[in-house]
Amino acid sequence: EAGVAQSPRYKIIEKRQSVAFWCNPISGHATLYWYQQILGQGPKLLIQFQNNGVVDDSQLPKDRFSAERLKGVDSTLKIQPAKLEDSAVYLCASSPGLASYEQYFGPGTRLTVT
Amino acid sequence: AQSVAQPEDQVNVAEGNPLTVKCTYSVSGNPYLFWYVQYPNRGLQFLLKYITGDNLVKGSYGFEAEFNKSQTSFHLKKPSALVSDSALYFCAVRDVYGNNRLAFGKGNQVVVIP
Repeated sequence: EAGVAQSPRYKIIEKRQSVAFWCNPISGHATLYWYQQILGQGPKLLIQFQNNGVVDDSQLPKDRFSAERLKGVDSTLKIQPAKLEDSAVYLCASSPGLASYEQYFGPGTRLTVT
Repeated sequence: AQSVAQPEDQVNVAEGNPLTVKCTYSVSGNPYLFWYVQYPNRGLQFLLKYITGDNLVKGSYGFEAEFNKSQTSFHLKKPSALVSDSALYFCAVRDVYGNNRLAFGKGNQVVVIP
């Protein structure tokens, strides 16, 4: 089965610019997660979707970050405007459902803000 | 909040020697614990989990982990390390009070020396 797909793999932008990341989860997986992984730290959950509804966005900086999963499949994470501290790897993961123990991760998008 | 700690930054081990990566946890109630591995430029891969049952959990690639309730630890082990085991290892706990989000430790870089 195909894994979680993410694009782009790398992105370099200047501060105050906007950027968007795309994620396509494993087919049939209802739950989708976006994580931020800053260098030297473990991944931190930004937002969690169940189908097209938000389950948890308590750690999403909503003044600049937004995410959507309109049709319950693909998802987009946007940052507008970007700050230097947003430089990180953004990981997307999916799982069959909320009760599933295992999450399947994509390769990530490495964002550098200059 | 549920959390895990990985006290070491880097673990160096000679090829063929036993490998141990340490993790301690802090939870309310029963812990759901996980180990993930991250190879360069790739997403996290699930290794194993402890939910309930036997304290010794076996996972992928010859890895196992021992759950110790009295010491609140969940150390990852492999009897004989391979050079290909060189990677970043993350311990995680499921936050059952936080929408089941995974809370990751900061990670341990494992370097297996030929």
